[in-house]
Amino acid sequence: DAGVIQSPRHEVTEMGQEVTLRCKPISGHNSLFWYRQTMMRGLELLIYFNNNVPIDDSGMPEDRFSAKMPNASFSTLKIQPSEPRDSAVYFCASSPTGRVLAFFGQGTRLTVV
Amino acid sequence: GQQLNQSPQSMFIQEGEDVSMNCTSSSIFNTWLWYKQDPGEGPVLLIALYKAGELTSNGRLTAQFGITRKDSFLNISASIPSDVGIYFCAGQASGGSNYKLTFGKGTLLTVNP
Repeated sequence: DAGVIQSPRHEVTEMGQEVTLRCKPISGHNSLFWYRQTMMRGLELLIYFNNNVPIDDSGMPEDRFSAKMPNASFSTLKIQPSEPRDSAVYFCASSPTGRVLAFFGQGTRLTVV
Repeated sequence: GQQLNQSPQSMFIQEGEDVSMNCTSSSIFNTWLWYKQDPGEGPVLLIALYKAGELTSNGRLTAQFGITRKDSFLNISASIPSDVGIYFCAGQASGGSNYKLTFGKGTLLTVNP
C-alpha cells in the first residue's frame, strides 16, 4: 500500500518567494495533519483537517501560512512570503478517523535563503 | 501545553546490547505511541498503546503503557546496526483534543557494530 506521499522532497527558495508543499494522504484516511520539525522545537502540529475541513489551525505560525484540502486525496501548505526562519522539515501525516495515530510522509525539507 | 520528557537524549551502545528509553509526563495520557525516524525520512510508527498497563511487542521491540498513565517505556533487545535512528514517544493527553499528539524530543540511538 502506498503511504503518505509528499512533494517536493527538497525545496530551496529565496526569501519573499511563495512556497507550496503538497500531500496525498493514505486512501481511506479521513484525518490529515501538517507538522513542522526543527531542532529547537521538535515536531509541532500546524493544522489538522477532518473530512477535508480544517478543525484546528492554532499551530499555524502566522498569516503567511495557509493550508487547503480541496478533496480527500490532496492537501497543500503554502507559505507566502517565505522567510529564512521558515526553514524546517514539513511533514504531512494521515490517520483513520477515530484513531489517535499519525502515519507520516517522508517530509519536505525547506530551505529559505 | 502538554510536555513529554523523553530520556535519555542519546545512547551509544554495542551491537547485541539491550536498550531502554522512556517518556514521562506530569499529566495523564490516554494513548502512547512510539516512532522511529531515520535520517532524511519521516517518523515510522513502531508500537501503539491504548490501555494502562498494556505491554506490546513488535519483534525485538517491547513497549509498555505505565500504570499511572503518566509514562511509557520502549525496550529494544539484541540491538543491530539498523536500529540506529531517533526514537520518539508521542501521547494523547486525557482531557485534551482527541486528535492532538504531543511528541517527545527524541532519543538518538547509535549502535556500534
